[in-house]
Amino acid sequence: DTGVSQNPRHKITKRGQNVTFRCDPISEHNRLYWYRQTLGQGPEFLTYFQNEAQLEKSRLLSDRFSAERPKGSFSTLEIQRTEQGDSAMYLCASSPGAGTEAFFGQGTRLTVV
Amino acid sequence: LAKTTQPISMDSYEGQEVNITCSHNNIATNDYITWYQQFPSQGPRFIIQGYKTKVTNEVASLFIPADRKSSTLSLPRVSLSDTAVYYCLVGGYSGAGSYQLTFGKGTKLSVIP
Repeated sequence: DTGVSQNPRHKITKRGQNVTFRCDPISEHNRLYWYRQTLGQGPEFLTYFQNEAQLEKSRLLSDRFSAERPKGSFSTLEIQRTEQGDSAMYLCASSPGAGTEAFFGQGTRLTVV
Repeated sequence: LAKTTQPISMDSYEGQEVNITCSHNNIATNDYITWYQQFPSQGPRFIIQGYKTKVTNEVASLFIPADRKSSTLSLPRVSLSDTAVYYCLVGGYSGAGSYQLTFGKGTKLSVIP
């Protein structure tokens, strides 16, 4: 399968713990996006990478959130000191260029208890 | 970034053609119109993209009038497996040069046997 891969698919954590998610984009895609989606809502943009450079961050991305994309390949999204409001589906997408089709992974569902 | 408005939900019987209209009154000159489909617990999947007039692929058609202030996604002869949420997006370049995909709440299509 050469699609976008996200791990883990599900994560349950206690409030206050740190969690890290991984996204492996399609190999030749230089653009990578993170989104967050809560029940009944559309995906909300979090951040965007072009190769290894993080070019844009949403105001939704508080100081507890950090994302990296070392060497322009896979990306990680870390949430520190998780809160119940962080419970959501975290989606990763990649695309080969601007204005083109974006391919989404199946997401990581985070539940903070 | 252009805001989109689309119906919250639609019902259709199997075998019928379904048309979902999206309004995007403040679309910019270089914005493309893109539609995505999302099934529960999965990431969105690209359906079709267009700039003006009509675009057709193996799964859908996209009609865009000359003023580009709206667009209509047409799904021919829907089946039960087309039950999903459909998102209309108008993509534009943000200040950082990304092609930010901004999702609304989408249209929940229910296909009835």
